[in-house]
Amino acid sequence: DTGVSQDPRHKITKRGQNVTFRCDPISEHNRLYWYRQTLGQGPEFLTYFQNEAQLEKSRLLSDRFSAERPKGSFSTLEIQRTEQGDSAMYLCASSPGMGGKETQYFGPGTRLLVL
Amino acid sequence: GENVEQHPSTLSVQEGDSAVIKCTYSDSASNYFPWYKQELGKRPQLIIDIRSNVGEKKDQRIAVTLNKTAKHFSLHITETQPEDSAVYFCAAGETSYDKVIFGPGTSLSVIP
Repeated sequence: DTGVSQDPRHKITKRGQNVTFRCDPISEHNRLYWYRQTLGQGPEFLTYFQNEAQLEKSRLLSDRFSAERPKGSFSTLEIQRTEQGDSAMYLCASSPGMGGKETQYFGPGTRLLVL
Repeated sequence: GENVEQHPSTLSVQEGDSAVIKCTYSDSASNYFPWYKQELGKRPQLIIDIRSNVGEKKDQRIAVTLNKTAKHFSLHITETQPEDSAVYFCAAGETSYDKVIFGPGTSLSVIP
């Protein structure tokens, strides 16, 4: 499968625990995006990268959320001290990057449930 | 701040009829407007997009129109089929490789 992949696909955790999700973009895609989607809503932008550089982080995003893309390939999203309100689908997407006309391709998502 | 509104939130049509979904956006810097289809439990998938240098784009049964002055854009699906049933999201961004802001979605049901 040469599409965007995410791991794990499902995660159940207890409130207060830390969780980390991984996203592997399409090969040679320079841009990588994280979105969060709750039931009945559209995806909400969290942050995005150009190679290893984090370009923007949503103002709505708590300091408990951090994302990295250390080598410009895969990315991780960590949530510290999880809260029940963090329960959502976390979607990753990638695109070829600047100058390209191609859009963002989404991964299957990681569904997080915080008990 | 950036905002995308979408109407209606639910839409039910008879098979073969047309469906229209309308969106408005607030950020005048937006030049790229994709539409995504999301089936239950699956990832959003791009079905069509339009850039601000054109007013209309068509791909088989799907068409999008853009009125940049009014900050409106719409999705038109003709000859609807049951497999068109899904949630549709409009979105807006500066370019195809910048972040996009999504609308809240329209749940389309096509009744056989």
